[in-house]
Amino acid sequence: AQRVTQPEKLLSVFKGAPVELKCNYSYSGSPELFWYVQYSRQRLQLLLRHISRESIKGFTADLNKGETSFHLKKPFAQEEDSAMYYCALSYSSASKIIFGSGTRLSIRP
Amino acid sequence: GAGVSQSPSNKVTEKGKDVELRCDPISGHTALYWYRQSLGQGLEFLIYFQGNSAPDKSGLPSDRFSAERTGGSVSTLTIQRTQQEDSAVYLCASSLGVGEKLFFGSGTQLSVL
Repeated sequence: AQRVTQPEKLLSVFKGAPVELKCNYSYSGSPELFWYVQYSRQRLQLLLRHISRESIKGFTADLNKGETSFHLKKPFAQEEDSAMYYCALSYSSASKIIFGSGTRLSIRP
Repeated sequence: GAGVSQSPSNKVTEKGKDVELRCDPISGHTALYWYRQSLGQGLEFLIYFQGNSAPDKSGLPSDRFSAERTGGSVSTLTIQRTQQEDSAVYLCASSLGVGEKLFFGSGTQLSVL
């Protein structure tokens, strides 16, 4: 079955330190992968998607098909990055989007 | 234009009662999703509507859960004979189409006493 795994429920790093939020998926085809973010008291929103190959708020994510991973990275964490982050997968044949269990990122001053 | 609108924002009900949750997607969005968000469980897919196609109901946890989308727009998620384990935030999202960016509503916090 298709699955998105985020192994860390909570990640706490100091301001200015690098951040890596892990995401692994299980799907044999060509997936579309996303990172969504939910800041405190805000709606869940798209952060980035792999086909765009863009950097949003300093975050990047590279699809590694060999390792079936789509880790989210930022070289220097900022306090405003504290939020809940969800990795998501869309598989082309069925179209629905499934999410991982989320990682809460806490940036310490 | 307005974003995805969900009502009510909060719902407290007694175990065994039926509840209806409403979602108004963004105009023109053909895809509509329902998810359940609970602590430790992340975002659990419930059901997906795409245009006039048959909905993907594979995520509905039991036959107490059902959803409709009338006229390709408004959707209602119904939970019959609510149980305490149904307590969660129910999120609705819409998108322009398949695999496109999801726009989420602010959710309905359901509490079953």
